[in-house]
Amino acid sequence: AQSVAQPEDQVNVAEGNPLTVKCTYSVSGNPYLFWYVQYPNRGLQFLLKYITGDNLVKGSYGFEAEFNKSQTSFHLKKPSALVSDSALYFCAVRDPGSSGSARQLTFGSGTQLTVLP
Amino acid sequence: SQTIHQWPATLVQPVGSPLSLECTVEGTSNPNLYWYRQAAGRGLQLLFYSVGIGQISSEVPQNLSASRPQDRQFILSSKKLLLSDSGFYLCAWKRTGSSYEQYFGPGTRLTVT
Repeated sequence: AQSVAQPEDQVNVAEGNPLTVKCTYSVSGNPYLFWYVQYPNRGLQFLLKYITGDNLVKGSYGFEAEFNKSQTSFHLKKPSALVSDSALYFCAVRDPGSSGSARQLTFGSGTQLTVLP
Repeated sequence: SQTIHQWPATLVQPVGSPLSLECTVEGTSNPNLYWYRQAAGRGLQLLFYSVGIGQISSEVPQNLSASRPQDRQFILSSKKLLLSDSGFYLCAWKRTGSSYEQYFGPGTRLTVT
């Protein structure tokens, strides 16, 4: 079975500093990995995904994520945080080698990012 | 471009009353459709998904049901609401194929009193 962990419930960072939101995963095969952002009382917005190829993927709003197969991680990063980046961030994984309902996305528990002015 | 709509945006219902939440997608055909519930602003629980008209898969046994009467319409229902049904309900769609991402609607905040 696939699973994903976001070990930090809360991350605080000062505006202008680099930010990292951590994600680790567990799948039996090669994973498809996704990051989403959620603002209060809104739906989730897709940021970026890793399917195959370059381990560093770039996404919306200046975010990027690095796939590390040996550490089974897919951390979200941004070189310079903005106050407007404050939101709830979700990592998700899919195992394309699974069948049926197991092929659906599994979401982490979310990390609340607060960027302090 | 594709858009996804959900309504109503908010709903307050008494225990024991019925429920109907609607989700529609525009600008695509034969999407995969999903219903999630998010409790306390955190983790998402997949409730139902559908790969085609009339095809519904349930992930969690519960008080809810789903239907897909048209290609781009997904409905979440209950005959009798429980207090535990309160939460933020999110609909999502995806193109067929496992490498595609899901796109979420704006959500419905349901409070059962």
